[in-house]
Order: sequence, then C-alpha cells, then structure tokens
Amino acid sequence: DAKTTQPPSMDCAEGRAANLPCNHSTISGNEYVYWYRQIHSQGPQYIIHGLKNNETNEMASLIITEDRKSSTLILPHATLRDTAVYYCIAAGTNAGKSTFGDGTTLTVKP
Amino acid sequence: NAGVTQTPKFQVLKTGQSMTLQCAQDMNHEYMSWYRQDPGMGLRLIHYSVGAGITDQGEVPNGYNVSRSTTEDFPLRLLSAAPSQTSVYFCASRQGLVEAFFGQGTRLTVV
Repeated sequence: DAKTTQPPSMDCAEGRAANLPCNHSTISGNEYVYWYRQIHSQGPQYIIHGLKNNETNEMASLIITEDRKSSTLILPHATLRDTAVYYCIAAGTNAGKSTFGDGTTLTVKP
Repeated sequence: NAGVTQTPKFQVLKTGQSMTLQCAQDMNHEYMSWYRQDPGMGLRLIHYSVGAGITDQGEVPNGYNVSRSTTEDFPLRLLSAAPSQTSVYFCASRQGLVEAFFGQGTRLTVV
C-alpha cells in the first residue's frame, strides 16, 4: 500500500466545512483512497472511498486530484460530534494489509 | 448481524503470561487483520489474513501468533506477554475493496 501523509491536527468552527488533506504521491493505479475516523478510543469507522472520481455520501465528500497524488475529505457542516482522528489510507487488491498512519486530529470548536 | 466481535474487552496480564485475543466476524469476509494502537498513536498492523488457512505478517508481528482455521475467526496469541505489549488491540474484516469493519477493541495491560 502507498504511504499517505496527513497534517497532525486541524481545527474547524462548528457549522463550517472541514477540509482534511491527504498526500499519497506514490499511489498506484489499482489503489483506492479510503477515509476512516476514530472517535475517542472506539474502533475506526469507515467514511468513504474512491479510485479517481469524486465521491459523496451522507457523511462526507471525497475530492481526488486528477493525478491522484492527493485527496481532500470534506465534512460539509462540521458538528462537535465530528471531533475525531481521521485516517487516510491507500489500499489495493491486498486489502487485508492496509496500514494506518497517525491521522489528523480534527477538533470542531463551538 | 453482530459485525466484528472482540473478546475480552479488557485484560490484565502478568509479564510472561500467554493469552489469546478472540476476533469473530459474521459477514463471511475474506480479509481479517489485527492492529495495535498505543496511546496517542495510529494503528499499526500486526498480522493479517486473506482467507482461511492463509496468514501473513504486518508491521509489528514480533511476539504475536495468528491462525485462521475458519473464515469467521482470527485469534491473536500473545506468546509471553511483555509490558511493551500494553496497548489497545483492534480486529478488522473486509471483503475485497469495500470498507473495513472494526471491532470495539481489547484493552490489554501487561504488568
């Protein structure tokens, strides 16, 4: 799996959009970009994934650059409950070997 | 549908003791993985399996053994517990390239 790089921490005002960046410059053609989050010490929770097209679901949007070397997770209207550690992962067909970095700690402030 | 179930939730071991952390999934997923998470850190991959009878090492395999005799179960064995193995352990399962499901973790303290 390609290595990913994320900023260690970010702040966001409640109600505003949170934009979390991820760099995956060595991603290969068959690797997807996945985002998970971990609230307190619970098990990580899946948010969204994509290959090359932008994706949107009820939780978030994922914007992947055309060269696929970076992506941005967008939480359109952040709430206090979105305070968590967010992990970006690049994973391919050997999906069981996914590795997590240290993620980005997002703090949503009132 | 329980998803991924880990037992026990909490455990205290003495140095040198052995134990098995249990992980079971009821989604018929091929892929299962074990991670450890130290305080303030991300998840590090210990071992993983791509199907029954097939296991491989992750980033930090030393001191741990795994086996995968059935699709549903993926136990993690600590051979001789050390204080450095104090951590929170997460089990995950997935099918193909879709999302992974995680258990709620086992909090292990080795004294």
